[in-house]
Amino acid sequence: AQSVTQLGSHVSVSEGALVLLRCNYSSSVPPYLFWYVQYPNQGLQLLLKYTTGATLVKGINGFEAEFKKSETSFHLTKPSAHMSDAAEYFCAVSELNPGNTGKLIFGQGTTLQVKP
Amino acid sequence: KAGVTQTPRYLIKTRGQQVTLSCSPISGHRSVSWYQQTPGQGLQFLFEYFSETQRNKGNFPGRFSGRQFSNSRSEMNVSTLELGDSALYLCASSSTGGQFFGPGTRLTVL
Repeated sequence: AQSVTQLGSHVSVSEGALVLLRCNYSSSVPPYLFWYVQYPNQGLQLLLKYTTGATLVKGINGFEAEFKKSETSFHLTKPSAHMSDAAEYFCAVSELNPGNTGKLIFGQGTTLQVKP
Repeated sequence: KAGVTQTPRYLIKTRGQQVTLSCSPISGHRSVSWYQQTPGQGLQFLFEYFSETQRNKGNFPGRFSGRQFSNSRSEMNVSTLELGDSALYLCASSSTGGQFFGPGTRLTVL
């Protein structure tokens, strides 16, 4: 069975500081990995995804993540936080199987606070 | 392309009633998935439909059901509502590029 663990339910950074949100996954089959962001009273917006190929993935709004198979991790980073980055972030995994890509398993989420 | 749309955006029901939520996927997407989001349980997968067939199912009771039409639009139904069904219900449509979510339907059960 697949699972996702996000380390830290709440992360606080200063504006301009590095953002690091941690995600570890468990999967018995090659995974697809995703990061989503959710602003209050909205749905989820896809930030970036890893399927196959290059392990460093660049997404929208300056975010990137690196797939490390040996560490079963997919941490999200951004070099310089902006006030507009304050939101809840979700890491998700699905099976690398076309028949199962419609089923995402989510972590519990990390709330990012950006202080001025 | 228009995004995923969900109707209604807000619903208030009482215990014992039933409710139907609707989702229109992005044009050309044949897969539609449904999720329940609550503060306590987080985001949980309900089911996925692909070409009018349920392809995956999560661990929810039979009160939760869904269907998909030939135009890929999907509905989910919850019968005999319980207080614990209060949640944000999210629909997502899929392509090889990933899952794209709608704004959700906020269901409140009184």
